[in-house]
Amino acid sequence: NAGVTQTPKFRILKIGQSMTLQCTQDMNHNYMYWYRQDPGMGLKLIYYSVGAGITDKGEVPNGYNVSRSTTEDFPLRLELAAPSQTSVYFCASSQTFQYEQYFGPGTRLTVT
Amino acid sequence: EDQVTQSPEALRLQEGESSSLNCSYTVSGLRGLFWYRQDPGKGPEFLFTLYSAGEEKEKERLKATLTKKESFLHITAPKPEDSATYLCAVQAPGSARQLTFGSGTQLTVLP
Repeated sequence: NAGVTQTPKFRILKIGQSMTLQCTQDMNHNYMYWYRQDPGMGLKLIYYSVGAGITDKGEVPNGYNVSRSTTEDFPLRLELAAPSQTSVYFCASSQTFQYEQYFGPGTRLTVT
Repeated sequence: EDQVTQSPEALRLQEGESSSLNCSYTVSGLRGLFWYRQDPGKGPEFLFTLYSAGEEKEKERLKATLTKKESFLHITAPKPEDSATYLCAVQAPGSARQLTFGSGTQLTVLP
């Protein structure tokens, strides 16, 4: 099992550009999550999904969008990138919300 | 609002020097407390889940304990490969299934 995979690993965006961060898991988990991690801060939940076709906002959803058309994939869309979105983004999945979350390797995004 | 505070922010130990990391939390009814290890440039790696006060779990040189207000991660006779950032997270009922993370303790074990 590859677990949770994320692409790209690194990306530099100009202000106002858009991009999609890809996330795929091969553990047949229903729950998937997107977090951002800023230096010296804890991970903050952006969006989560409890199954294909079902998504909901987390703590910091502004400036982001998600979709979940399959169990395996949970892409995160950034529209009109801003410097405040410079961060490391982690995707995670879990069997249910009661169980541990498995994290991907992260995407380091810089917006200049 | 759920809150998680980890201390110390950074800890340097000599190899073999045992110590503990602290995770203090404020939640309205704890559903679960999670410990993760994060190596530089990588995603968090799950270590333990604790559900109720008095519960303990062990894995190699690590032992996690839980009280009603805090959790400790005890590291016995650490080795340089234990160097990492250790994250604590809590989950509360009605929290939209999200985890609230602390900012972590950066552990360095010197040979």
